[in-house]
Amino acid sequence: GIQVEQSPPDLILQEGANSTLRCNFSDSVNNLQWFHQNPWGQLINLFYIPSGTKQNGRLSATTVATERYSLLYISSSQTTDSGVYFCAVAIDQAGTALIFGKGTTLSVSS
Amino acid sequence: NAGVTQTPKFQVLKTGQSMTLQCAQDMNHNSMYWYRQDPGMGLRLIYYSASEGTTDKGEVPDGYNVSRLKKQNFLLGLESAAPSQTSVYFCASSYSGLRGEQYFGPGTRLTVT
Repeated sequence: GIQVEQSPPDLILQEGANSTLRCNFSDSVNNLQWFHQNPWGQLINLFYIPSGTKQNGRLSATTVATERYSLLYISSSQTTDSGVYFCAVAIDQAGTALIFGKGTTLSVSS
Repeated sequence: NAGVTQTPKFQVLKTGQSMTLQCAQDMNHNSMYWYRQDPGMGLRLIYYSASEGTTDKGEVPDGYNVSRLKKQNFLLGLESAAPSQTSVYFCASSYSGLRGEQYFGPGTRLTVT
């Protein structure tokens, strides 16, 4: 099955720093999403980005489908950015669903 | 617009008890999903429903059953709870199956003793 690898596994930042999270996947995908799981466990949709580039405030994401990777950029990080960031992909095949990576745990301190 | 809602938020069961987790969505989505999340892991699919009245097994279906009698509701049943089913359960929905963006509910934290 398709493999999803995220790096780095852990990231510690001071408030105001920038960061880049990476997601590599092993096959062509029809769907790629980035989620933020906050400390209360809620999964928040960040981007639906099977290809191309999107921006939303301090966050932006780029997926290069032909090279099978996606990047999530966080600029001017805030303590509320802390949590786990998941990349998930899907291949639109019966019996499958979103396949999640193991996540990147981000801790932002003031 | 509440999005995806789940009840209950927390539940403690004894081994062998049964229960139903409820999920509702008000976005007129066709597809709905049940996932479980175990510590240190991403989410794994239990069952999904591509459309009202249809259901299919996912990666980890053993010990569970599902029902999708109405488009807006997707129920997950535990027939005889086991400690291995201690987990956080998430429901999700999407308009157009696996090609569409999935939206997740807040989760149900289940403990089986």
